Amino acid sequence: QVQLQESGPGLVKPSETLSLTCTVSGGSINSYYWSWIRQTPGKGLEWIGYIYYSGNTNYNPSLKNRVTISVDRSTNQFSLKLNSVTAADTAVYYCARDGHGSNWYGDFDLWGRGTLVTVSS
Amino acid sequence: DIQMTQSPSSLSASVGDRVTITCRASEGISNYLAWFQQKPGKAPKSLIYAASSLQSGVPSKFSGSGSGTDFTLTISSLQPEDFATYYCQQYNSYPITFGQGTRLEIK
Repeated sequence: QVQLQESGPGLVKPSETLSLTCTVSGGSINSYYWSWIRQTPGKGLEWIGYIYYSGNTNYNPSLKNRVTISVDRSTNQFSLKLNSVTAADTAVYYCARDGHGSNWYGDFDLWGRGTLVTVSS
Repeated sequence: DIQMTQSPSSLSASVGDRVTITCRASEGISNYLAWFQQKPGKAPKSLIYAASSLQSGVPSKFSGSGSGTDFTLTISSLQPEDFATYYCQQYNSYPITFGQGTRLEIK
């Protein structure tokens, strides 16, 4: 079955760029919308943004100025870059799939297990 | 942003019980409401979408209802594997927002 796996550095310094990759295994990245979501004890769950396999993106306005989501269909991966990070960006980051194929709805039928990223010097 | 408020924040129940969790949206979201389950260290698991539609493979002991601003998730005949944290999420409008979670604990 389709599985998602997040990967990337677990520690990022303040003011630097957080970079994570989500690998889609057991299925194709094509014809779906893919999202990044993060979770902190203080703010709870926060949707970061999505990318369609064709490259179209949509971001949460609260993060829009710092976020870039990209897709690499050749490797069945999509990625998150969040620049100018602070301690407030410390969170568990999840990748997730919208299960409605080529139609964006925004409910997620499949999630990765998440990866903890700590922002600290 | 649409605020999603769940109640209660935590709930103690016994194996075999039936429980109901409530989610309220700060404005109407039609039926664009999802529920999912989260256990420590595991991927969140989608349970329900469109307020009342069961995701494939999810047992019928889980049910959802509601429309507009008020929604419920009901779990019947609780089993040990059901003790987890449950979240609601609206996808009626951007940005997508989540409830704060309801922690279901064994009594």
